[in-house]
Amino acid sequence: QKEVEQDPGPLSVPEGAIVSLNCTYSNSAFQYFMWYRQYSRKGPELLMYTYSSGNKEDGRFTAQVDKSSKYISLFIRDSQPSDSATYLCAMTGGADGLTFGKGTHLIIQP
Amino acid sequence: DAGVTQSPTHLIKTRGQQVTLRCSPKSGHDTVSWYQQALGQGPQFIFQYYEEEERQRGNFPDRFSGHQFPNYSSELNVNALLLGDSALYLCASRPQSLVSEKLFFGSGTQLSVL
Repeated sequence: QKEVEQDPGPLSVPEGAIVSLNCTYSNSAFQYFMWYRQYSRKGPELLMYTYSSGNKEDGRFTAQVDKSSKYISLFIRDSQPSDSATYLCAMTGGADGLTFGKGTHLIIQP
Repeated sequence: DAGVTQSPTHLIKTRGQQVTLRCSPKSGHDTVSWYQQALGQGPQFIFQYYEEEERQRGNFPDRFSGHQFPNYSSELNVNALLLGDSALYLCASRPQSLVSEKLFFGSGTQLSVL
């Protein structure tokens, strides 16, 4: 079992829809949780950052962390074609490097 | 304010050769990490440098080595290249002083091993 599981997709939704992306993990030591957006073969761009459990909102993006279920989510409201990219979840216990999921390829249809 | 810059953008090598990739961190950042991203996979942590020393290392063989310079820039060296080393190599930086794991990534170096 991989430490971080993420459905690679592709996930295709119409413009304006609410997008739900998620990851599950197995390592209880993870304390810091991040979502990155990556366009085709470019470097990942940090979207959301959460420490421990809870919700965080930034514009159209909401990140949720449920440590009891070892489950994290990213919601995108009013999705736009420019949101089409690969979304990577990442997490760490703080003393080592980030552990990433495989990434979910998201397609927003105009 | 320049972000994380990496060079070269693309590189083609043959099996058995050695390669050096370079990274300049974001202004104000003193901690540099390197990641390997194979096609269709998430990035995998190689190692992290702070104060010119390797501080943490992921599950990579000794063929992968690095260096950090006094100006915080860094190099990744890979010896005896294998076909499986073909990947996007990403450099990331952050300030050590912040209690945060927010990493800022460069655009990467695409390495092809033939």
